Amino acid sequence: AQSVAQPEDQVNVAEGNPLTVKCTYSVSGNPYLFWYVQYPNRGLQFLLKYITGDNLVKGSYGFEAEFNKSQTSFHLKKPSALVSDSALYFCAVRGAAGNKLTFGGGTRVLVKP
Amino acid sequence: DAGVIQSPRHEVTEMGQEVTLRCKPISGHNSLFWYRQTMMRGLELLIYFNNNVPIDDSGMPEDRFSAKMPNASFSTLKIQPSEPRDSAVYFCASTVRGLRETQYFGPGTRLLVL
Repeated sequence: AQSVAQPEDQVNVAEGNPLTVKCTYSVSGNPYLFWYVQYPNRGLQFLLKYITGDNLVKGSYGFEAEFNKSQTSFHLKKPSALVSDSALYFCAVRGAAGNKLTFGGGTRVLVKP
Repeated sequence: DAGVIQSPRHEVTEMGQEVTLRCKPISGHNSLFWYRQTMMRGLELLIYFNNNVPIDDSGMPEDRFSAKMPNASFSTLKIQPSEPRDSAVYFCASTVRGLRETQYFGPGTRLLVL
């Protein structure tokens, strides 16, 4: 069975500081990894994905994520956080078994001015 | 592209009533997913369809829930009878079938059962 862990319920960061949201996964075979963001009263919005190739993936709004196979991690990063980045972030994984995505519990990011 | 369309956006109903949620996937997408989001349980996959055929409904909580996809451009999730514990945000998502493909989510239906 595939699973995703987001160990932090909330991350607080000052505007302008680097932001990291942690994600670890478990899946059979090669992982297909995704990050989504959810703003209040909105649906989930796709940020980026890792399929294969370069371990550093660049996505929307200046976000990037680093795939680390040995640590089974896919942490989301942004070099300089904005107040508007405050939202709920979800990591998700899909394995070779099918196109069913498994989501983590979400991490709430609060960026303070 | 209009994205995934869901209706209604908000629904308030009384316990025991039938509730029908609707979803129009992105044109050309052949997989459709229904999710439920609550504070307690997070984001749960209820059911998904490939080419209009239900593939995995193991997440459907009980027989009160049913989902259909009569054609490639329309799906419904029905709750009959509804209960207060069904109160949640229900999301529909669609994708082109394939491991590399991204799921795109609709705006959700916020359901409140009194």
